[in-house]
Amino acid sequence: TQLLEQSPQFLSIQEGENLTVYCNSSSVFSSLQWYRQEPGEGPVLLVTVVTGGEVKKLKRLTFQFGDARKDSSLHITAAQPGDTGLYLCAGLTGGFKTIFGAGTRLFVKA
Amino acid sequence: KAGVTQTPRYLIKTRGQQVTLSCSPISGHRSVSWYQQTPGQGLQFLFEYFSETQRNKGNFPGRFSGRQFSNSRSEMNVSTLELGDSALYLCASSMGLAGGPTYNEQFFGPGTRLTVL
Repeated sequence: TQLLEQSPQFLSIQEGENLTVYCNSSSVFSSLQWYRQEPGEGPVLLVTVVTGGEVKKLKRLTFQFGDARKDSSLHITAAQPGDTGLYLCAGLTGGFKTIFGAGTRLFVKA
Repeated sequence: KAGVTQTPRYLIKTRGQQVTLSCSPISGHRSVSWYQQTPGQGLQFLFEYFSETQRNKGNFPGRFSGRQFSNSRSEMNVSTLELGDSALYLCASSMGLAGGPTYNEQFFGPGTRLTVL
């Protein structure tokens, strides 16, 4: 069974702090996606990383795919209250199946 | 381009009843996946339909079923509801084609919040 483990599960930080969320697996994925979900809404796709070692930046968010395509990280610089939400990583297998991590719940205090 | 729509947004049922949820994918998307989300279990994959055929299935009991129509719209049915079926049910659509990850980027609807009493 393919699993994606996310850490930490919960994170509460002050506005302006930096943070990193991790997503790890023993399986190789063809690509990995990060989503952000707000209460009562569906997850919204932030980024897809495809190549081992790839780094993508989205304003204050930096996403990295591990060299072996088994892990990924999301780094947020100078977090803002608007970054509050549930961050989910999802790995795509060769059989069109997407495996989701349990998520990291981030709360940024003003 | 309209996003993924799900109806109804909220539903209250009692144990033993059955329920049907509907999902309309983004125009041009042929794959629809269904997920159950609960605080304790996170996002659990139910099944995926592509061109009216179930292509992938998660580990849920047979009470959970689905179908997809020729216009790619999909329905999910849960029979003999149990208290533990209370959850946010999400559907996601994608192109569902081979040829690269962008073809399989999933776009989620807002979900249907099901409460079983």
